[in-house]
Amino acid sequence: EAQVTQNPRYLITVTGKKLTVTCSQNMNHEYMSWYRQDPGLGLRQIYYSMNVEVTDKGDVPEGYKVSRKEKRNFPLILESPSPNQTSLYFCASRRAGRGYGYTFGSGTRLTVV
Amino acid sequence: AQTVTQSQPEMSVQEAETVTLSCTYDTSESDYYLFWYKQPPSRQMILVIRQEAYKQQNATENRFSVNFQKAAKSFSLKISDSQLGDAAMYFCAYRRPNYGGSQGNLIFGKGTKLSVKP
Repeated sequence: EAQVTQNPRYLITVTGKKLTVTCSQNMNHEYMSWYRQDPGLGLRQIYYSMNVEVTDKGDVPEGYKVSRKEKRNFPLILESPSPNQTSLYFCASRRAGRGYGYTFGSGTRLTVV
Repeated sequence: AQTVTQSQPEMSVQEAETVTLSCTYDTSESDYYLFWYKQPPSRQMILVIRQEAYKQQNATENRFSVNFQKAAKSFSLKISDSQLGDAAMYFCAYRRPNYGGSQGNLIFGKGTKLSVKP
């Protein structure tokens, strides 16, 4: 089954404790992206990648890191999480080319206390 | 910068009836793509329908259709024969083509919560 897999689905952590949210896609998509969803704000892009070793900032990159060492994986790293990073996070991927929509993972609910 | 506006935070429809969700966007581009995503309580983001701006014909996917008015920058979603399973948040999204270094980021509206009454 073609899908984007995120882990974990739920995570509660403490301020300052480094964490990684994994994302993997099995569709050989070139583009991958991380979004966060907050009430009343919709979804906002954190980072994106156009292919292996090619990443760039989205609209809200502060406090996050990413890497794209393999085409299928695009982990999101929070080096020192803070309570304002409590949110619902989505990883998404799509093929390069005209008109393709993003396929989303199931989301990761992160709470930082 | 492009923006997407969904002016209806909440909508309600009777089962089997038709409902239209509104979306407007602001852009100076002539080539772009528009999408509607559905987010049920399971929180999964599901692509419902897409429209390419250079195509004049409105997209249709089964009970879902759009009314794309390019000059008015309007992209509404019509759901016919509404079903209980249609209850969800619906997000309108805009994307530029990925050329000239642009990565074609999705820009989302804030969503419309649709309730379906039995």
